[in-house]
Amino acid sequence: QLQLQESGPGLVKPSETLSLTCTVSVGSINNGSYYWGWIRQPPGKGLEWIGNIYSSGTTYYKPSLRSRVTISVDTSRKRISLKLSSVTAADTAVYFCGRLVTVTSPYLDHWGQGALVTVSS
Amino acid sequence: SYELTQPPSVSVSPGQTASIPCSGDKLGDKYVSWYQQRSGQSPVLVIYQDTKRPSGIPERFSGSNSGNTATLTISGTQAMDEADYYCQAWDSSVVFGGGTKLTVL
Repeated sequence: QLQLQESGPGLVKPSETLSLTCTVSVGSINNGSYYWGWIRQPPGKGLEWIGNIYSSGTTYYKPSLRSRVTISVDTSRKRISLKLSSVTAADTAVYFCGRLVTVTSPYLDHWGQGALVTVSS
Repeated sequence: SYELTQPPSVSVSPGQTASIPCSGDKLGDKYVSWYQQRSGQSPVLVIYQDTKRPSGIPERFSGSNSGNTATLTISGTQAMDEADYYCQAWDSSVVFGGGTKLTVL
């Protein structure tokens, strides 16, 4: 059974860089049938798409976050990483990684349990 | 950018049918997925490609999509179905609706 596990610091200071890792438990992450994404959810609010990375390494980022976001993949360690720079309190959220099924209209068939990141001095 | 609109809340009595709409421009031309998120948990896929149920999702969950509106229907709603529900489509990237809180009372 596929499992995704987010990990990283739970507290980040304003203006610093948030770094999270998503580890995939089963199978290859370099499978053209899937790609990988990051989603966040501020406390008490809805889901926000951050971006995704394809098996080719091509990335897509939400336009409003593009200048601050980097998503990368380490296929040998089966890890997908998220970096978000120059954070503010507005970046406080639970961050999820997810697997997208590569079809005409992709959807997330697996989610991690989420990692709460608080931005505070 | 593409937008999906959901009502903030829907209420239903146990055993009745709950319908949660999701609207967007020409949404019927796209595939829609639905996610259930119980309090404090990760989202779970309950419907994909408008009408398909993943393995393990009860038959009482169904979906439809036509025109500008997709609908998640829960027949014989149970207390355990109380959760937030999000619709999702693809428009060069993932687009989520704002979410609907389903209350079973």
